[in-house]
Amino acid sequence: QVQLVQSGAEVRRPGASVRVSCKASGYTFTTYAFTWVRQAPGQGLEWMGWISGYDGETNSAQKFQGRVTMTRDISTSTAYMELRSLRPDDTAVYFCARETLVAGTVVDYWGQGTLVTVSS
Amino acid sequence: QSVLTQPPSVSEAPRQRVTISCSGRSSNIGNHGVSWFQQLPGKVPKLLIYFDDLRPSGVSDRFSGSKSGTSASLAIRGLQSEDEADYYCAAWDDSLNGWVFGGGTRLTVL
Repeated sequence: QVQLVQSGAEVRRPGASVRVSCKASGYTFTTYAFTWVRQAPGQGLEWMGWISGYDGETNSAQKFQGRVTMTRDISTSTAYMELRSLRPDDTAVYFCARETLVAGTVVDYWGQGTLVTVSS
Repeated sequence: QSVLTQPPSVSEAPRQRVTISCSGRSSNIGNHGVSWFQQLPGKVPKLLIYFDDLRPSGVSDRFSGSKSGTSASLAIRGLQSEDEADYYCAAWDDSLNGWVFGGGTRLTVL
């Protein structure tokens, strides 16, 4: 069965960086992409970006360009999302989700979420 | 301010039918398939509908989706208490080159 298992909760100071991992299993890693979505406390879903599991091509929301880096490691079937220059309003649950290689089609399985708290 | 517009809340009695609307533009709903996600309290979003009206395996046929032009709807029939959740619509946006979501609709089963 498809599973996406994310890394644990993180606490960071403003200005720091955080890297969230998302380990995939139950399917062929390179035949799908990952999309990253975050949800601030009590708020809705916000798309951050997309990375192809096949060739590592990325696409990020303009809001995060310059602050976010998405990578993947085929050998461990793991995707990563790093967010830099953290601010308190980056406090949110960060989700990875599986998406088809054609961006903008189907996002089906989701990780359990990683709470990132940014506070001084 | 979300790119896709949903009502903040809807409510209906058990065993009744409810619809949730989602309004967008030609650059998103008008040109791409709409997905719907259900997020139970404290849980992970779950895909209910994709490509406007398709259900993934395992999703109850009480849930159905439709689209007309730049608007989409999610209908839930035979409401049950376990349907109480937040529902989000989503679509790819050509102008933003990314997914856009509605602000979410909280369903209350009276």
